[in-house]
Amino acid sequence: SQQGEEDPQALSIQEGENATMNCSYKTSINNLQWYRQNSGRGLVHLILIRSNEREKHSGRLRVTLDTSKKSSSLLITASRAADTASYFCAFGTGANNLFFGTGTRLTVIP
Amino acid sequence: EAGVTQSPTHLIKTRGQQVTLRCSPISGHTSVYWYQQALGLGLQFLLWYDEGEERNRGNFPPRFSGRQFPNYSSELNVNALELEDSALYLCASSPSNGNTGELFFGEGSRLTVL
Repeated sequence: SQQGEEDPQALSIQEGENATMNCSYKTSINNLQWYRQNSGRGLVHLILIRSNEREKHSGRLRVTLDTSKKSSSLLITASRAADTASYFCAFGTGANNLFFGTGTRLTVIP
Repeated sequence: EAGVTQSPTHLIKTRGQQVTLRCSPISGHTSVYWYQQALGLGLQFLLWYDEGEERNRGNFPPRFSGRQFPNYSSELNVNALELEDSALYLCASSPSNGNTGELFFGEGSRLTVL
């Protein structure tokens, strides 16, 4: 299977805390992306990191990529109740296709 | 600018029936992707169309099929529905640029098979 795996499956934190979720994959990639999904809705793109990059920032988001370990992490700083959602990593293998991870369900408690 | 639109948003079918789901990509996007998301699970890649051609297919039986029209809209057809086909079917589009960039998703079609 080319599906990635995310860890943890579920995460519950207090508002203002940081949230970290991890993604592992098995194939060679040309980029890794993170998406957000509010309950039962479509996915929204958050950030893309290329295989030759190690870290990328976007607002309160920080993504790291370690291609030697085939893993990535997404850090959301100063979390808000509105950040409550499921977060998915997705990796591109160069065939103009994306394979998604299993997702992390984040709950931010006000 | 209109986003990716999918129809219908919800539908209920019974086992053995057939269903057609529709997707209109963002204007200017030529690639359309279909994913299946069963309840509480991740996204499973179904099909990728670009410039009217099927470019890649996920590990699904032949009763899952589709097509892309000259205006780049797409249909996903599922024949002989089974209970486990109940899921959210997501369509996404992207410009065709040879690289796996950002996908733009629709809100999905939620299929329930009874």
